[in-house]
Amino acid sequence: EVQLVQSGAEVKKSGESLKISCKGSGYSFTSYWIGWVRQMPGKGLEWMGIIYPGDSDTRYSPSFQGQVTVSADKSIRTAYLQWSSLKASDTAIYYCALALVPFGFDYWGQGTLVSVSS
Amino acid sequence: QSALTQPPSASGSPGQSVTISCTGTSSDVGGYNYVSWYQQHPGKAPKLMIYEVTKRPSGVPDRFSGSKSGNTASLTVSGLQAEDEADYYCTSYAGSNNFVVFGGGTKLTVL
Repeated sequence: EVQLVQSGAEVKKSGESLKISCKGSGYSFTSYWIGWVRQMPGKGLEWMGIIYPGDSDTRYSPSFQGQVTVSADKSIRTAYLQWSSLKASDTAIYYCALALVPFGFDYWGQGTLVSVSS
Repeated sequence: QSALTQPPSASGSPGQSVTISCTGTSSDVGGYNYVSWYQQHPGKAPKLMIYEVTKRPSGVPDRFSGSKSGNTASLTVSGLQAEDEADYYCTSYAGSNNFVVFGGGTKLTVL
């Protein structure tokens, strides 16, 4: 069974750093793209970035380039999304999503709620 | 502002059909047959309903169908049911640099 399991909710302060994770199982981790999607409170989905764990090829949405870092550790089948300095506006639910079909995210993690206070 | 344009809302009565549009450009929707549609119920993760413009993942009812004409893709839900009430998002591959672009979402209400 394909599964993406994300790390738990985080409560942070502005200026702090953060790394959240997404562990994949039930498929060939190195063979498919994993993306990250943001959903701010009451708002729509926004694509942030994507990584191909096989060779760590990484692409970013222009809106998020330089704001976050996407990475993966294929030895533990885990993808990451990290911030070096959080802002209150980073408060959102973050989903990881797996593209087993071409450019379609057919499996999603349960989401990680990140709350940032100023 | 989202890269793909969707109407903010759509509605229909049970049993009716409703179509949601998704308009992009020749650099995304019009340039590739990689349009996907997602359904999201409140408090839940999105669910893939359509990929590669017209294909349905296993388990998605055939009441859901996708199409594309030029730079506009469409999702049609036939035989509306109460459980179809949700937010719907379209995405498209947009080339090796932008990779994926999302629509702003459409709230579907079943009257």
